[in-house]
This record gives sequence, C-alpha cells and structure tokens, in this order.
Amino acid sequence: SQQGEEDPQALSIQEGENATMNCSYKTSINNLQWYRQNSGRGLVHLILIRSNEREKHSGRLRVTLDTSKKSSSLLITASRAADTASYFCATDPDRGSTLGRLYFGRGTQLTVWP
Amino acid sequence: NAGVTQTPKFQVLKTGQSMTLQCAQDMNHEYMSWYRQDPGMGLRLIHYSVGAGITDQGEVPNGYNVSRSTTEDFPLRLLSAAPSQTSVYFCASSWGSGVQETQYFGPGTRLLVL
Repeated sequence: SQQGEEDPQALSIQEGENATMNCSYKTSINNLQWYRQNSGRGLVHLILIRSNEREKHSGRLRVTLDTSKKSSSLLITASRAADTASYFCATDPDRGSTLGRLYFGRGTQLTVWP
Repeated sequence: NAGVTQTPKFQVLKTGQSMTLQCAQDMNHEYMSWYRQDPGMGLRLIHYSVGAGITDQGEVPNGYNVSRSTTEDFPLRLLSAAPSQTSVYFCASSWGSGVQETQYFGPGTRLLVL
C-alpha cells in the first residue's frame, strides 16, 4: 500500500512547546500534503509540499520532505491548546498514468495542555 | 462561497436499505472525491471524478455507486446498506483534474447501519 504512516500515533505536550510529527511512505510521490482534523469535523488543508521541494513554512508550521528517505515531518512551533487535533499526511503517488488518488495515513492525535 | 456541502449530517439505516449521500461544491472544481473514515483509520478513497461525466474507483468502491452529471454535484449511492458501511463519509474537491492541489473537505456525513 502507498498509504503514509504517521508517527507517533499520539502526542501530548504543554502549551508553548514544539510538536513534531513524522510521515513515512513507500513509493515515489508527486506531492505530500498535511491536513488537520478537529474532533467531529472535516479535514482542513495545512501545507502541500511538492517532490522537488525540501522545506515549506506557513506561520507556525514547518514541513520538510526527504524523498531519499521517503519521509516528511510537520513541526508546529509554540503550540497552543487550539492546536489540539488529529494531523494526517496524504501522498499523491507518482505512478505516471494515475490521477485522482490521494492516500491518507492514520493520523497523529496531538493534545496540547494549557 | 459555501465551499463543499454535504447532506445529511447524520443518517441511520437498516441493513438492505439504500440511500444517497449528497455532495455539492460552488467553487467550480473539476475534481471531486468520496472518502470514508473509520475509527483509528485514515481516510480511504471510495470513488472520485476528474470532471462531469467521468468517474473512477478508489480503494474501497464495493457497495457504492457514483455519477457526475454536473460540475457542482457528486452524489454517493449506497445500493444495499450493510453494517460494514457504518462510517463517517467525507466529500472533497479541488482545482484541476488530479490530486496535486489542495483538497477542500465537506463537514462529513455520519452513517450508522443497523
């Protein structure tokens, strides 16, 4: 399966600390995306990083991509209680003729304590 | 813009009943897709469409039908509901004809099959 796998499955930190989540995948990709899901809600897009990019920033978020290791990391700096959510990585496999398939991991549940 | 809307929000079915989950978007997105999310799992792709009149199967298409007669709408039909189809269903859309862009998710439909 191309499905990405996030690590750790759960992460619990205090407000102000940094949170790092990792995603590993199996085959080459066109891009990798990170999404956030608050409890009982739909997914919200955070960052998309393409296979020819190594790092992207968006506010307190920093995403890295290492295609040689087939892995990505999401760093949330100076976390807040409002960052409590599940975070998913999704990969768009580079299969040439394949369009339209995005593979999600099982997610990391982040809890930020006030 | 309303974004991606889904109806109903909740539904209880008996085994063998059929129903249609509605999904609509007002962003003129070509690409639309349906996912299911089960406890402790990531999202799994059911069906997707790269434009009106074009649909294709995802990872878990059995028991579901789709059609795309307009750009705006992408309904998901359960032909004969089974308890294994108890899940949360998410619809998503994006620019372009593939998954190399940000996916916009609806709020989800929670389905219980008894």
